[in-house]
Amino acid sequence: GAGVSQSPRYKVAKRGQDVALRCDPISGHVSLFWYQQALGQGPEFLTYFQNEAQLDKSGLPSDRFFAERPEGSVSTLKIQRTQQEDSAVYLCASSLDRYNEQFFGPGTRLTVL
Amino acid sequence: GQQLNQSPQSMFIQEGEDVSMNCTSSSIFNTWLWYKQDPGEGPVLLIALYKAGELTSNGRLTAQFGITRKDSFLNISASIPSDVGIYFCAGHTGNTGKLIFGQGTTLQVKP
Repeated sequence: GAGVSQSPRYKVAKRGQDVALRCDPISGHVSLFWYQQALGQGPEFLTYFQNEAQLDKSGLPSDRFFAERPEGSVSTLKIQRTQQEDSAVYLCASSLDRYNEQFFGPGTRLTVL
Repeated sequence: GQQLNQSPQSMFIQEGEDVSMNCTSSSIFNTWLWYKQDPGEGPVLLIALYKAGELTSNGRLTAQFGITRKDSFLNISASIPSDVGIYFCAGHTGNTGKLIFGQGTTLQVKP
């Protein structure tokens, strides 16, 4: 597994449920990014980690969104009390450092009913 | 916030034709990037541009970083069916590394 992996690939949640989306970056990549991609749109930045430190969370749309990367590798994006407007593809990307090419995972498609 | 305007929104062309798409911004970027996204996959980097005025090629792809650092274009020559997909421009400011993406250009190629 040389690339970025994400799980689950698809998630259906009822409105109000909490969800957790996982990202396994490329081994050795210091930087990790989360993006949200609405249908028919380009990805939009959510948050950025350098190792375990969350250095930029300016893109998180509300306090229902929370991300962590406790050991500087795997990251989890958690959405509490999901709303229909949270339906989107959530993309994770990693890079050697913030100046290098970002490699994207396949994304998790979240559908909130 | 920062926005990238990408055009055209979609293109339907004949195999063998050349394609051109562009991206403009109200803000200056230090790096311009072009990505391709296939259905069910994440974006894949095609070309990266680091200097204003830079013209870079990657096979049948050619991209340029505008002199003002507020625009870029991507050309695809002699299109083939596997060029089908969504093409995104993205700008990079270099501080935290976050990318700002355009809305995408959907390319369809008729064999």
